[in-house]
Amino acid sequence: DTGVSQDPRHKITKRGQNVTFRCDPISEHNRLYWYRQTLGQGPEFLTYFQNEAQLEKSRLLSDRFSAERPKGSFSTLEIQRTEQGDSAMYLCASSWGYEQYFGPGTRLTVT
Amino acid sequence: AQTVTQSQPEMSVQEAETVTLSCTYDTSENNYYLFWYKQPPSRQMILVIRQEAYKQQNATENRFSVNFQKAAKSFSLKISDSQLGDTAMYFCAFMKPAGGKLIFGQGTELSVKP
Repeated sequence: DTGVSQDPRHKITKRGQNVTFRCDPISEHNRLYWYRQTLGQGPEFLTYFQNEAQLEKSRLLSDRFSAERPKGSFSTLEIQRTEQGDSAMYLCASSWGYEQYFGPGTRLTVT
Repeated sequence: AQTVTQSQPEMSVQEAETVTLSCTYDTSENNYYLFWYKQPPSRQMILVIRQEAYKQQNATENRFSVNFQKAAKSFSLKISDSQLGDTAMYFCAFMKPAGGKLIFGQGTELSVKP
């Protein structure tokens, strides 16, 4: 059991560029979650998958954000036309039951 | 909609002493789960303890215990024999019984002083 992994760990991009993050969950976990955390705040839910089905999306997830989990294993989160307000830590978590296990996060800085 | 409130942005405690972090929540659900997560500086979120709302007995994990008051919608975390490694942000979180998203509080930054 290697835990939840995320790639990259850090991303610096210019405003207007597209970025994509990857999350690899714990192998036997069927649920995968994305959260966003800004400095000094608690994580905010973005979206989650059960297997390959996207079951819920937050209103925070604007049209510029899209997430996929094509084969029910890893997931990607894409942000198009990044804005400075997108700068945050993007956390991924996975679960089998109701306990969620978090990855180390991807820190995005939009300049 | 569910909300979670942590009213103590910062707390400090001397090593080996006991500290209690507060959390209140609002929900119309009868069954749900509550969690405390720890996020050390520049490190990932770790689950500390969980509580199922249908269980009256308070959860305990080694030096960590909770005081769950369902009627008052209160869920505090007690850390006994505080250690330097307990220094972290602590987040209280709520989940509906069907699973899905965690709703987090704003966090309490705990500093354990030698």
